[in-house]
Amino acid sequence: DTGVSQDPRHKITKRGQNVTFRCDPISEHNRLYWYRQTLGQGPEFLTYFQNEAQLEKSRLLSDRFSAERPKGSFSTLEIQRTEQGDSAMYLCASSEREKFDEQYFGPGTRLTVT
Amino acid sequence: AQTVTQSQPEMSVQEAETVTLSCTYDTSESNYYLFWYKQPPSRQMILVIRQEAYKQQNATENRFSVNFQKAAKSFSLKISDSQLGDTAMYFCAFMKLNYGQNFVFGPGTRLSVLP
Repeated sequence: DTGVSQDPRHKITKRGQNVTFRCDPISEHNRLYWYRQTLGQGPEFLTYFQNEAQLEKSRLLSDRFSAERPKGSFSTLEIQRTEQGDSAMYLCASSEREKFDEQYFGPGTRLTVT
Repeated sequence: AQTVTQSQPEMSVQEAETVTLSCTYDTSESNYYLFWYKQPPSRQMILVIRQEAYKQQNATENRFSVNFQKAAKSFSLKISDSQLGDTAMYFCAFMKLNYGQNFVFGPGTRLSVLP
């Protein structure tokens, strides 16, 4: 396991469609974070999991967004009824609970909503 | 809420020279971490350096060092002997130590190292 992986790397969808992204963290990492990065901006926190529990959600995470980490390993982020404003890079990061200051980022999923 | 400001949207430096990127932040927390992350074009975020707020000594990692001024809430990054591979977006980030430990990132500085 060489790092955090995300799939797909790119997604183009039409407005109103649902999309789902997957993140596979580093295997021994029990914390998993989702961030959103719009063009020319720094990443913004969306939500995080410790094992399978979703412990914090940003107010950026509207009702159309849902994240899961069913077995405490990989995580999915679903966006329902996509809007053009959802176009962004969605980043996943993971860390060990005790080493929370060492978050490793994945390559991201770039979403384009047309 | 915490905020992070990077006042230099873009900077350039000649190869082998030194450049300093600025970052200021606002928080009411007394203990926290600060970070610089690098995001090369079309590549993932990479940790450059981190600083624990309770440590007075400035962190250093090879050619990268910080100037941490806690009272002024300033956290600048100095890159010495700049290399072409240093070309990237640089993000300053804040992390509080209670509940969650998620990052608050600044808007970034685009650094170009010129040959």
